[in-house]
Amino acid sequence: QVQLQESGPGLVKASQTLSLTCTVSGGSVRSDGYYWTWIRQHPGKGLEWIGYIYYSGSTSYNPSLKSRVSISIDTSKNQFSLNLTSVTAADSGVFYCAGGLVDPSLEAWGQGTLVTVPS
Amino acid sequence: EIVLTQSPDSHSVTPKEKVTITCRASQTIGRNLHWYQHKPHQSPKLLIKYASRSISGVPSRFSGSGSGTEFTLTINGLEVEDAAVYYCHQTISLPWTFGQGTKVEIQ
Repeated sequence: QVQLQESGPGLVKASQTLSLTCTVSGGSVRSDGYYWTWIRQHPGKGLEWIGYIYYSGSTSYNPSLKSRVSISIDTSKNQFSLNLTSVTAADSGVFYCAGGLVDPSLEAWGQGTLVTVPS
Repeated sequence: EIVLTQSPDSHSVTPKEKVTITCRASQTIGRNLHWYQHKPHQSPKLLIKYASRSISGVPSRFSGSGSGTEFTLTINGLEVEDAAVYYCHQTISLPWTFGQGTKVEIQ
């Protein structure tokens, strides 16, 4: 069973880069057909898709964030990562990593990590 | 961008009641629609994929139907543990989008 675990700082200063890592266990980030995804939930709001990296390395991002976001894979550590540049207080929220393991339905989720950008 | 609109926004129900949540898409998405349950302080959980396909380990009281632009999640015989926010999610078109969520509360 694939399990995911987010890690990274809980506090990021405005204008800096938010960097989070998702460690995958019970499976490989290079397994065929997997979609490694980042989702955000603003406080008291719904779910927002940030983007994904496909097992092959191709990426897709939410246009609302496209100029600031990048997702990458580190096969040596069996991890995938999120970088979000030039953050503001509006970027605060709970960030989830998730995996679509044979198709885009997100079957595996991390527990979520709260990131705060003080205004 | 495909907009998913859920109704109702919230639903207060008694245990054993049947609950129906609707998700409407702004354009046709075939059956590329998935449902998640999100409880407080937990991560979302996949309940149904591709409109009606069941997920191993999910109670059989959860079912999904629909295609095109209108989809339904049904909970047959609500249990107290089903109190949560439910989201629909489309993956046919980028960017992937979620519905705004439907909060199910227990009376």
